[in-house]
Amino acid sequence: KQEVTQIPAALSVPEGENLVLNCSFTDSAIYNLQWFRQDPGKGLTSLLLIQSSQREQTSGRLNASLDKSSGRSTLYIAASQPGDSATYLCAVNSGYALNFGKGTSLLVTP
Amino acid sequence: NAGVMQNPRHLVRRRGQEARLRCSPMKGHSHVYWYRQLPEEGLKFMVYLQKENIIDESGMPKERFSAEFPKEGPSILRIQQVVRGDSAAYFCASSPDRDQPQHFGDGTRLSIL
Repeated sequence: KQEVTQIPAALSVPEGENLVLNCSFTDSAIYNLQWFRQDPGKGLTSLLLIQSSQREQTSGRLNASLDKSSGRSTLYIAASQPGDSATYLCAVNSGYALNFGKGTSLLVTP
Repeated sequence: NAGVMQNPRHLVRRRGQEARLRCSPMKGHSHVYWYRQLPEEGLKFMVYLQKENIIDESGMPKERFSAEFPKEGPSILRIQQVVRGDSAAYFCASSPDRDQPQHFGDGTRLSIL
């Protein structure tokens, strides 16, 4: 059974800092890994999807990496802004059902 | 280009009543997934459907819960005889194919009195 863990559970940084969110998973037999953002009371916004054959994906200030053999992914956020404050979720696709971590709650202070 | 539409956004039911949650996938998406987010827990997969077919319902409780995705109309998640423990946010996602990114709706927050 796929277990997904996200560290840290919560993070508070001043505006402008670069930061790294971590995700680990127990079964390396995956199709892809997706990073989402969830705002309070809202749904999930897909940020980046990395296929199992890829090592990283980039979108604007976001960069996600995948090391399938070690069961790890990181989400790098450059030059953080208060608008980045949200919960970030890592989800692993081992078939079609996504297995989610519990998320990292990020607060970027002005 | 509307996203995944879920309604209602909030639903309040008394114990023993029925709850019906609706999900309209994105245009061109024939794969629908339902997830549940319990308080203080991560999202958990419930059921995966394609048009008129349930592909995998392994994450759905065996009793009281059912799902459908008819040829015409939205996907429906139905919970009969609701109990307090059913209080959660229920999210629907859709994709054009099973290995493509899943796009999520804003969810239905179900509260049981």
